Amino acid sequence: GAVVSQHPSWVICKSGTSVKIECRSLDFQATTMFWYRQFPKQSLMLMATSNEGSKATYEQGVEKDKFLINHASLTLSTLTVTSAHPEDSSFYICSARGGTGMQPQHFGDGTRLSIL
Amino acid sequence: DAKTTQPTSMDCAEGRAANLPCNHSTISGNEYVYWYRQIHSQGPQYIIHGLKNNETNEMASLIITEDRKSSTLILPHATLRDTAVYYCIVRANFGNEKLTFGTGTRLTIIP
Repeated sequence: GAVVSQHPSWVICKSGTSVKIECRSLDFQATTMFWYRQFPKQSLMLMATSNEGSKATYEQGVEKDKFLINHASLTLSTLTVTSAHPEDSSFYICSARGGTGMQPQHFGDGTRLSIL
Repeated sequence: DAKTTQPTSMDCAEGRAANLPCNHSTISGNEYVYWYRQIHSQGPQYIIHGLKNNETNEMASLIITEDRKSSTLILPHATLRDTAVYYCIVRANFGNEKLTFGTGTRLTIIP
């Protein structure tokens, strides 16, 4: 149980294009979803937290107009990197949590984004 | 969130028990201890969590000291597939309290 699917696994695109990443909870309803970013040899950094049907809450320093988050249902959240540039190249990971606050987050397998 | 301190790296022989320590001396009464691990180029995997009692599941055991200022994750019979970075995180049990990942312990299982 508690499976989170993330798609695509990797993407390569040209500078200036927008990229959408999907995160789905397959066997539970995710009341809260989280988006992280991880640069090489570094730890995960939280970008934003979203609740179904509400606007996402972004961490300090994360541009909300550049990283668009939509959490339209209890099983799906999307992250769109708009007008991506090489410095946006990173490993993006989503997580989902159902139920009450003590329930653990379960993570997807990540999306490796490379901007040329 | 309370901060945690973990050794940077550890080695363990295959088949032996791997004991990973974590210090969280400033933990608050409503904060749980969570353990995750991340195998190279994958998303973190949830292992176990607890508040004050020892916990065990199919993956590991979590031993929390009586004063809750430290804990130990035990992998009873380590295999090569247990090689990963292990993160100990303390987190309050309400609302959207986030997980704050530190640098973790890089555990290497040696054949």
